[in-house]
Amino acid sequence: DIVVTQSPASLAVSLGERATINCKSSQSVLYSSDNKNYLAWYQQKPGQPPKLLIHWASTRESGVPDRFSGSGSGTDFTLTISSLQAEDVAVYYCQQYYRTPRMFGQGTKVEIK
Amino acid sequence: EVQLVESGGGLVQPGGSLRLSCAASGFTFSNYWMSWVRQAPGKGLEWVANIKQDGTEKYYVDSVKGRFIISRDNAKNSLYLQMNSLRAEDTAVYYCAREAVGGNSGIFDYWGQGTLVTVSS
Repeated sequence: DIVVTQSPASLAVSLGERATINCKSSQSVLYSSDNKNYLAWYQQKPGQPPKLLIHWASTRESGVPDRFSGSGSGTDFTLTISSLQAEDVAVYYCQQYYRTPRMFGQGTKVEIK
Repeated sequence: EVQLVESGGGLVQPGGSLRLSCAASGFTFSNYWMSWVRQAPGKGLEWVANIKQDGTEKYYVDSVKGRFIISRDNAKNSLYLQMNSLRAEDTAVYYCAREAVGGNSGIFDYWGQGTLVTVSS
């Protein structure tokens, strides 16, 4: 199985400041035949289902604000919220879809400082 | 508008069975792989199983193999999860999720609101 590990478990950021979440996979999720990283990011607000933010490590879903960006390749990835807004308070998960079983990171809780 | 509505959750005793359903609308259900993903109370997300468009391929996480069965009825735009030999550790909210792009992509682009399954005596 390809295990995905996130850090930190939680972070508190001031409004308007940058939030950075890290994700590391136990094996590379870069597929050589298409040069794509099989990694996604989701946002889950309290009492709601997860929402897909980013796939292919850096491709934002339609309608996702551009303050959210994904980067990285191979085994190391980052989700950045460039200017934290109140509505961004949530738990964020990374997920690999390179191989079954699809596995999620344990989540990072983002709060306002 | 894509909608996924789960039902069938509830309280069941250890060793019991339950069948979850997911009613899909707003897209051509038969064109997509579908998945079940669960979330134990206060915990993270765990992919459970998925199924190909025509039902001929199915995959499961090891912890449910031999106990859970995923199925679908494209005529009814519905996804199912038959859960047998339930254990306390199966207690979770179960989400139905569509896989993007029409293939076994593993990218979950739409999710239902979930249905809670509680396994307890």
